[in-house]
Parts: sequence; C-alpha cells; structure tokens
Amino acid sequence: DVKVTQSSRYLVKRTGEKVFLECVQDMDHENMFWYRQDPGLGLRLIYFSYDVKMKEKGDIPEGYSVSREKKERFSLILESASTNQTSMYLCASRAIYGYTFGSGTRLTVV
Amino acid sequence: KNEVEQSPQNLTAQEGEFITINCSYSVGISALHWLQQHPGGGIVSLFMLSSGKKKHGRLIATINIQEKHSSLHITASHPRDSAVYICAVKSGNTPLVFGKGTRLSVIA
Repeated sequence: DVKVTQSSRYLVKRTGEKVFLECVQDMDHENMFWYRQDPGLGLRLIYFSYDVKMKEKGDIPEGYSVSREKKERFSLILESASTNQTSMYLCASRAIYGYTFGSGTRLTVV
Repeated sequence: KNEVEQSPQNLTAQEGEFITINCSYSVGISALHWLQQHPGGGIVSLFMLSSGKKKHGRLIATINIQEKHSSLHITASHPRDSAVYICAVKSGNTPLVFGKGTRLSVIA
C-alpha cells in the first residue's frame, strides 16, 4: 500500500513562528499536493508539485511556500504563522490510479 | 474552473437504510473521485471513475457524463459508515476540484 506520512498529527505554534509541515510518500509518485481544510469551505489547494524542484501555486498560496528537494518529500512552510492559518493541513500524492492522502496535521496558531 | 456541488450537506440515517449522496459538476471531466473522511482522520479514496458504475462491498458509485452528475450509494448502512463523503473532479491537467462534502451520520 502507498503511504503518505505527515510528520505531526497535532501542532501548536505561536504567531510569527516559522512552521514546517513535512510530507513523505513511499511510492515514487511525481505529483504531490498540499491542501487546507476548513469547516464550510472544504479542501482548498495551497501548492502542488509535478516533479522535484518544481512547484505551482494553487488557489490560496498567500502566506505559504513549499520545498521539493527530493521526490519523496514535499514540505509546506509558513514563513510567519498567523492565527488565520489555524486549520487542518492535508498532503496527497497522485498516481495513475488515484490519490493517496496523509492523515492530516491539525495546526493551531496562538 | 469546475464548480462541484454536493447534496445533501448533512444526512442522518437509521442503520440499514439505503443512502444516496449526489454530486454535480459544471465542466466536462476526465475523472471523478469519491473520498471518505472519518472524524479526525485522513482521507481515503473510495472510487475513481470516468464512466458507468463501480461497486465495492456495500458501496456503489455511478456517473452520468452527459448530465455531469454522479451518485454514491451505500446499501444496508451501518454506524461505521458515519463520515464525511467528498466528491472531487479532475479535468485535463488541472488539479482536483473538491465539493464541500456530505456529513453522514448513521444511527443504530
């Protein structure tokens, strides 16, 4: 089974901190995605990557950046965390047969 | 950009009932996904389909390309089916577009 692993299930950070959310997949997928999920808004795409060192903005990239130095790892970076970035963050990777999602990181910014 | 609408938003059913969740979209697609999310959990892919019908256990997914509509059916529902069900569509090389989800509660 494909595994997409997110490094933390729950995270509490202070306003202004730099936050790294890590995502690792074990099936050599080229396509990886970062989403945030908020009540009433559903899943919204932050950034995605089709290959190493490639990145594309999604629908809500403001306040975020990403890094893809190796194929298996796609990191989401909050340069200066703010309270409106409190959310559930989900990573996914894609193969021909479909998508595999991580378990999510619930981030609270205080 | 594709618009994806799901109905109903919330659904409560008695154990054993037949359940239908609907998804409609506005632009032609290459694939439609049905996803399941349990409370506090990650998302699991249930089906990916581009035409016709797929069945897995008590779950059935159908799609009508001409009408731009898909349904997810659950037969003999059980409390463990309680989750949020999410429809998502893919068009060409654009990323998935998600519906807002349907929250299902199955009561014993």
